[in-house]
Amino acid sequence: DTAVSQTPKYLVTQMGNDKSIKCEQNLGHDTMYWYKQDSKKFLKIMFSYNNKELIINETVPNRFSPKSPDKAHLNLHINSLELGDSAVYFCASSQEGQNNSPLHFGNGTRLTVT
Amino acid sequence: GQNIDQPTEMTATEGAIVQINCTYQTSGFNGLFWYQQHAGEAPTFLSYNVLDGLEEKGRFSSFLSRSKGYSYLLLKELQMKDSASYLCAVPNKFYFGSGTKLNVKP
Repeated sequence: DTAVSQTPKYLVTQMGNDKSIKCEQNLGHDTMYWYKQDSKKFLKIMFSYNNKELIINETVPNRFSPKSPDKAHLNLHINSLELGDSAVYFCASSQEGQNNSPLHFGNGTRLTVT
Repeated sequence: GQNIDQPTEMTATEGAIVQINCTYQTSGFNGLFWYQQHAGEAPTFLSYNVLDGLEEKGRFSSFLSRSKGYSYLLLKELQMKDSASYLCAVPNKFYFGSGTKLNVKP
């Protein structure tokens, strides 16, 4: 199936730990994103990569480090997890240069920090 | 920067028509997107407007007025499955409004 897939779906961990979330898209898109959706359901962009290059970094703490090994993958590594990091993290992709190209989202990773 | 406003929550009756508004202020404009998000799921694309006017797609239509910085999503013949959050996004789909939670009642 053509899709944006992210793993894991659920992640429960303790404060201070380091964790990673993986994302892959097979839509042939050149731009990938990470969004955070908090308990109030506000969907906020964190990072955007175009062809493996960072183009948006929205005042995210440097504990969050995205890594794009190729344009089909964008992983998110989080160091020293805090309670406030608990949220649903969505990966998405689109085709840059096509203004009408919508975002295609992965199914989300629900992160719970205890 | 971007400033996007939507009502937080709306309730409507099955079979009725509901209009969900979105106002925006943006330094650049390359179109406006509407997405639907069911509880516990990912947002999915509904519509895209870049020119003024109404775009119709089955039971869903979306309207844009660039001069007023205003859009609305019109849902006709509401069904229970339309209960979801509806999010508008501008300008280059990076920034989302806070979403409008629509409750459809029998």
